[in-house]
Amino acid sequence: NAGVTQTPKFQVLKTGQSMTLQCAQDMNHEYMSWYRQDPGMGLRLIHYSVGAGITDQGEVPNGYNVSRSTTEDFPLRLLSAAPSQTSVYFCASSYSGQKNTEAFFGQGTRLTVV
Amino acid sequence: GNSVTQMEGPVTLSEEAFLTINCTYTATGYPSLFWYVQYPGEGLQLLLKATKADDKGSNKGFEATYRKETTSFHLEKGSVQVSDSAVYFCALNQAGTALIFGKGTTLSVSS
Repeated sequence: NAGVTQTPKFQVLKTGQSMTLQCAQDMNHEYMSWYRQDPGMGLRLIHYSVGAGITDQGEVPNGYNVSRSTTEDFPLRLLSAAPSQTSVYFCASSYSGQKNTEAFFGQGTRLTVV
Repeated sequence: GNSVTQMEGPVTLSEEAFLTINCTYTATGYPSLFWYVQYPGEGLQLLLKATKADDKGSNKGFEATYRKETTSFHLEKGSVQVSDSAVYFCALNQAGTALIFGKGTTLSVSS
């Protein structure tokens, strides 16, 4: 059982380049989300999805796009990378959006924008 | 809006010392409360949770009690080990939204 899988684990981009961070889960979870982790800032929500075809913005959505065409996948797109997007990105999934539901996290993608 | 405040780190302890990491929250309604742990180079994993007032979550010797009157969910362990060295995050979840995290507290335990 793989759980939540993120690829790649590490990435270096030049300013202005685009890329997609992949996230896949095999637990048939409806709810998926993306966070970024920065020193002294904790985890901040970028975008989330409550099911296939439904996405919404979190606390820090600017510069990122998402889509949810299947239950399993929730990719995060950076259209034009900026140094401020240097961070560690975590994808999470949970069975539902109910408040007592445990979230499962991927191992993270460490992104550096130069 | 909803928010979580936890004590600043780093916290440095000797093995077998008592641990407390403070966490307070602001929320409308009655959220569920969580502690997540992040070991070096890994993602977050659930340590314990509590879903209503006066509930006590516990796991691996860690405990936290949901105190509605003080809006707190402090993490405690009676005797820490070197293997407990990690970053600890307090979080809340209000129905229909994603987890809201505190800034994290780094714990270092030396032998």
